[in-house]
Amino acid sequence: ELKVEQNPLFLSMQEGKNYTIYCNYSTTSDRLYWYRQDPGKSLESLFVLLSNGAVKQEGRLMASLDTKARLSTLHITAAVHDLSATYFCAVDTPGGSEKLVFGKGTKLTVNP
Amino acid sequence: SAVISQKPSRDICQRGTSLTIQCQVDSQVTMMFWYRQQPGQSLTLIATANQGSEATYESGFVIDKFPISRPNLTFSTLTVSNMSPEDSSIYLCSVGASNEQYFGPGTRLTVT
Repeated sequence: ELKVEQNPLFLSMQEGKNYTIYCNYSTTSDRLYWYRQDPGKSLESLFVLLSNGAVKQEGRLMASLDTKARLSTLHITAAVHDLSATYFCAVDTPGGSEKLVFGKGTKLTVNP
Repeated sequence: SAVISQKPSRDICQRGTSLTIQCQVDSQVTMMFWYRQQPGQSLTLIATANQGSEATYESGFVIDKFPISRPNLTFSTLTVSNMSPEDSSIYLCSVGASNEQYFGPGTRLTVT
C-alpha cells in the first residue's frame, strides 16, 4: 500500500527566510505532484515531477524529486506573506492509474 | 489542460437525506475521480468513474453510500446517501490530462 508522508505539518516562517518541505513515499511511482490550497478553495497545481533528478522552479518555489530515495522537496526562497497556504504532495499509485495518494499537507504561515 | 465545474458549490443538508453532486469537464476523459476532504484533513480517493462500467471504490467506501454515475465522457455524478454529520466534507472531482491531475472547485457539504 502506497503511503505518503509530509513534514512538517505546520510551518511558521518569517518573511525573507528560506525553508524546505519534505515528502516521502513508500513505493515506486511514475509521478509526484505538488499542490497549493488556500482556505475554502480547491487545489492549485504547482508542479508535476516525472523523473529522477527532476527540478522545477516557479517564482519563490522550487521542487525536486529523488526517485531512488523516494523523496521530493519543496523549497521556499525568501518567503512572502502571499505564500501562506496549505501545500500538499501527492503520488500516483503504481501502474499509472492516475489515482493519487496525498500527504497530510503542510500548513504554511508566513509572518511579516 | 482541463476545466472542471461542479454543482452545487455548497449545500447544507439534513441528516438522513441525500445529495447529488455534478461534475462537468470541458473535454472527453476516460477516467474521472471523486475525492473527499474532511475538515482540516487531506484528500482521500472515494472512487474512480469510467464511462460504460461500474465505478471502482476504494477501501472504506461503498456503492450504497456513494453511488456514482458516468453517463458520458464529460460528466459524472456522486451521490452522498443517507447523510450524517460525519459526511460533512468538501467533495472534489478530478481528471487527468497532459500528465497533470486537475481538480474541480469542490462542493462544500455541511450535514446538520
